[in-house]
Amino acid sequence: AQTVTQSQPEMSVQEAETVTLSCTYDTSESDYYLFWYKQPPSRQMILVIRQEAYKQQNATENRFSVNFQKAAKSFSLKISDSQLGDAAMYFCAYRSPSGGSGTYKYIFGTGTRLKVLA
Amino acid sequence: EADIYQTPRYLVIGTGKKITLECSQTMGHDKMYWYQQDPGMELHLIHYSYGVNSTEKGDLSSESTVSRIRTEHFPLTLESARPSHTSQYLCASSDGLAGGPLFFGPGTRLTVL
Repeated sequence: AQTVTQSQPEMSVQEAETVTLSCTYDTSESDYYLFWYKQPPSRQMILVIRQEAYKQQNATENRFSVNFQKAAKSFSLKISDSQLGDAAMYFCAYRSPSGGSGTYKYIFGTGTRLKVLA
Repeated sequence: EADIYQTPRYLVIGTGKKITLECSQTMGHDKMYWYQQDPGMELHLIHYSYGVNSTEKGDLSSESTVSRIRTEHFPLTLESARPSHTSQYLCASSDGLAGGPLFFGPGTRLTVL
């Protein structure tokens, strides 16, 4: 069964600095999708970044980028120039490839709470 | 604007009451999901649906039930609320395309006294 592990329950970063959140996963599939979601306190969960396993190039979205290491099954999120608004819970998620009947699963890690220090 | 909506946002209710948490999406997605999440904790999938008249139980056993009579609507019902049901309930949808992400609603925070 697929699993997603976020080994850092909590991280802190100084404003304007860079922080990296770790995520590892386990799967026997070769084609799948990975996501990072952000959940600010008492606010809606939003998609931060998406990576397709068959693409070697790491995804980037403005200050957010990933380091995707397929062989190591690692998918870390780097936040550059951290801002106070980046403070949130960050969840790593895996989406399996579609099965024959169009079914697939999303599997989430346990989350990392990011604190941004002014 | 295409979005996913949940009502109510907050609900405080007494033990034994029947409640329905509403979820609607205007994104045209076939697939919809309910997750249960204690504040600041991990998400647990409790129900999902791949289309009208299709519902399945998720990984976490739940006493709630769901229905999917219309594509855009996926309500969750608790016949008799208990304090153990106190949690946040997140509704989500996806378009089913290859690699499509989940889109989440704002959540309903339920407190059962």
